[in-house]
Amino acid sequence: DIVMTQSPDSLAESLGERATINCKSSQSVLYNSNNKNYLAWYQQKPGQPPKLLIYWASTRESGVPDRFSGSGSGTDFTLTISSLQAEDVAVYYCQQYYTSPSTFGQGTKLEIK
Amino acid sequence: QVQLVQSGAEVKPPGASVKVSCEASGYTFTTYFIHWVRQAPGQGLEWLGIINPGGGGTRFAQKFQGRVTMTSDTSTSKVYMELGSLRSDDTAVYYCARDKGGDHYFDYWGQGTLVTVSS
Repeated sequence: DIVMTQSPDSLAESLGERATINCKSSQSVLYNSNNKNYLAWYQQKPGQPPKLLIYWASTRESGVPDRFSGSGSGTDFTLTISSLQAEDVAVYYCQQYYTSPSTFGQGTKLEIK
Repeated sequence: QVQLVQSGAEVKPPGASVKVSCEASGYTFTTYFIHWVRQAPGQGLEWLGIINPGGGGTRFAQKFQGRVTMTSDTSTSKVYMELGSLRSDDTAVYYCARDKGGDHYFDYWGQGTLVTVSS
């Protein structure tokens, strides 16, 4: 199975500041034939199911604010929140869907400083 | 609007089975795969498997092979996940989730069903 490792485990930033979460996969999730990275990001708030933010590593889901962006390729990926808002407090997960079983990172808890 | 509505919380003794339902609405039921993902208390997300609601084909994580069954009922737009031989470490919230485009990432999720395994 592909192991997904996120860093840091927790993060506290001030309102309006940039927040960066990293995700590393144990093997490449880039499919060479279509040049797509099979990597998604989700946001989960307490008591709620996860919400899809980003897929194909950098494609924002419809309705997701443009302060959320994804980047990276191969084995190293980043979720960036450009200007942190109070409603962004949540746990964030990356997911690889390159191979079965699909696997998730352990999560990164984002708080306001 | 797309909705996935799951059945209510369950408490089961060790060794028993549990069956969770997920009712889809707001889209053509047979067009999108459905996945099941679980989350133990305070823990991360774990994928259990996938079902094609139209054809009934399934694939499971090896960890759950032989212990999990997934079925669909096109007449009611429901999918079911049954997990047997329950252990205490199966205590978790179980989610159904819709596959966005056949590529195995998830655009809509059910509200979750808490399954507690306890004697």
